[in-house]
Amino acid sequence: AQSVSQHNHHVILSEAASLELGCNYSYGGTVNLFWYVQYPGQHLQLLLKYFSGDPLVKGIKGFEAEFIKSKFSFNLRKPSVQWSDTAEYFCAVKWYSNTGKLIFGQGTTLQVKP
Amino acid sequence: DVKVTQSSRYLVKRTGEKVFLECVQDMDHENMFWYRQDPGLGLRLIYFSYDVKMKEKGDIPEGYSVSREKKERFSLILESASTNQTSMYLCASSPQGIYGYTFGSGTRLTVV
Repeated sequence: AQSVSQHNHHVILSEAASLELGCNYSYGGTVNLFWYVQYPGQHLQLLLKYFSGDPLVKGIKGFEAEFIKSKFSFNLRKPSVQWSDTAEYFCAVKWYSNTGKLIFGQGTTLQVKP
Repeated sequence: DVKVTQSSRYLVKRTGEKVFLECVQDMDHENMFWYRQDPGLGLRLIYFSYDVKMKEKGDIPEGYSVSREKKERFSLILESASTNQTSMYLCASSPQGIYGYTFGSGTRLTVV
């Protein structure tokens, strides 16, 4: 079955530290890839997405992600986190073969200490 | 901006009650989805719809049904609420094709 796995469930960082959150998906052909963020008490928002082309994509608020097809990975990065980045982050994958459903990972809670 | 509106932010219902969760989107999107969000499990797809009166089961449809009589409205129905359906329910919509979803604010349902 198609699945998405996020390696880190809970990450704690100090401000200005670098961030990398892992995301892997099961093999299943052509994919679209997404990272969503949910700030405390708010709805899910799209951080960035990959459809095709340059595998390094830039999103809002200084986030970026790199699609490595050979590793079925789409890791999220930010060079220097801020306290306001405290949130839950979800990786999601849409396979062309499954009629457009988004499959989500389990989520990673990021806590940034001031 | 696309708006996806869920009618209730918080709901408390009793075991065995029939529960309706309503979702309305204002951008003429073809696709609508219902997910539930639980700690450590991420978002799991309950049902989705690609068109009016169309519905397809997601990964966890048991205990739920849906209704889509109009394009802009997608309702989730808990036929007989149980305590294991206590969760955050998220509605989303998207246009046809390769696009991301827009999510509503969620409904936190507690079944007592």
